[in-house]
Formats: sequence, C-alpha cells, structure tokens
Amino acid sequence: VQLVESGGGLVQPGKSLKLSCSASGFTFSSYGMHWIRQAPGKGLDWVAYISSSSGTVYADAVKGRFTISRDNAKNTLYLQLNSLKSEDTAIYYCARSAGAGYFDYWGQGVMVTVSS
Amino acid sequence: DIQMTQSPASLSASLGETVTIECRASEDIYNGLAWYQQKPGKSPQLLIYNANSLHTGVPSRFSGSGSGTQYSLKINSLQSEDVASYFCQQYYNYRTFGGGTKLELK
Repeated sequence: VQLVESGGGLVQPGKSLKLSCSASGFTFSSYGMHWIRQAPGKGLDWVAYISSSSGTVYADAVKGRFTISRDNAKNTLYLQLNSLKSEDTAIYYCARSAGAGYFDYWGQGVMVTVSS
Repeated sequence: DIQMTQSPASLSASLGETVTIECRASEDIYNGLAWYQQKPGKSPQLLIYNANSLHTGVPSRFSGSGSGTQYSLKINSLQSEDVASYFCQQYYNYRTFGGGTKLELK
C-alpha cells in the first residue's frame, strides 16, 4: 500500500487549493478514504471521508468550504480547499479507511500554509 | 461530539521499562478505539484497532486494553525505536483523536 500526496503550498487567505493523493498497491475503488490534518506541533484532526461509492462526510470546521472527491480510474483521491483561513494551515494526510472507522495506511503528508 | 482525553501529555522512560498511556472517552465508545505511533517528521502508523487487536507487523510488545470509556496502550520492554508521539482515536461516533503523548527516553 502506498499513498502519495501532492498539491500543497503557500496560499493567501480566501484563496483555493486542490490536494491530490495517488494510491497504489491495493484496489483503490474498493476502499473508503479520508483526509486528516495536523497543525504544526499539534494533534490530529479528521477532515473528511469519502466512501467507495462516493458518499461524503465532513468535519464541521470545513463543511461548505472543502470538497473531497475521487477518480477511481486514476486511483486518485482529491481535496478541494476553498475560502482558506489561517487556521487551515497544517500537514494534510490522506489515509485508507479500514472499514470500521480507523485508518490503516497513511500517506507522507503535504503542507498547506495559509498566509498573506 | 465525543471528546478523547489522553494522559500523560509527555512521558520519560528508560530502555527496557514498561510504559502505559491512557485514553478516556467522554462517553462509551464500545471498543471503537485505535492507537497510532508518530515518529518525528513522519506520518502516523496504526498500532492497535478495536481497542486490543494488533495491526499487521506491529511488534508484540505493544498491547491495548480497556472498555467503556477507559482504554490504555502498554509498551513492554521499551526500545529506542519506540521514541515517538502516540495518539488514540475513537471511531464509534465519527472520528476524534486524543491530544497525544510524547514519549522520550530517560
């Protein structure tokens, strides 16, 4: 199992960014996937989930601003981040859902910095 | 929302020692609990799921126990490679993490 995130960077408040997570080593279309973030020096916060059938769930802090999606043909997970705030600054990890709600494999993470 | 309170926030222990980290949920989570290890500069790795099941490839010196609202992670015979931060996570109702425990060598 390998998960590789990309698309991070420095962005101004109010702007948008799209993260990608390329998956390999397993049947991507059969698994739900998550995005989890970690602010610098802080703990972990679950952000969003997409099921194998593309149903979605979001944390209250990002609902209406972030959109999780997937392209099973490309084995890729996405996170569209809109109306970014300074408090969205974090390392964003994609992770595979183990079904019951925990995360059995994680990517290496991608840094998103929201600053003017 | 279910709140997860993890203790201690930091811990210093000697090689070969047994270490225990606690996690308390604000309500019964019916063993819907996982533990993760995060080494400095790395992503978290799953250690334990369903409160007491060891993930594939995790050394047997790690074990999980508990029920209801109280859970613990035990590391027997501490090794240098166990220096890391440890997080609990409940998945009974949505998903929330504990604040983490930073484990260092004494």
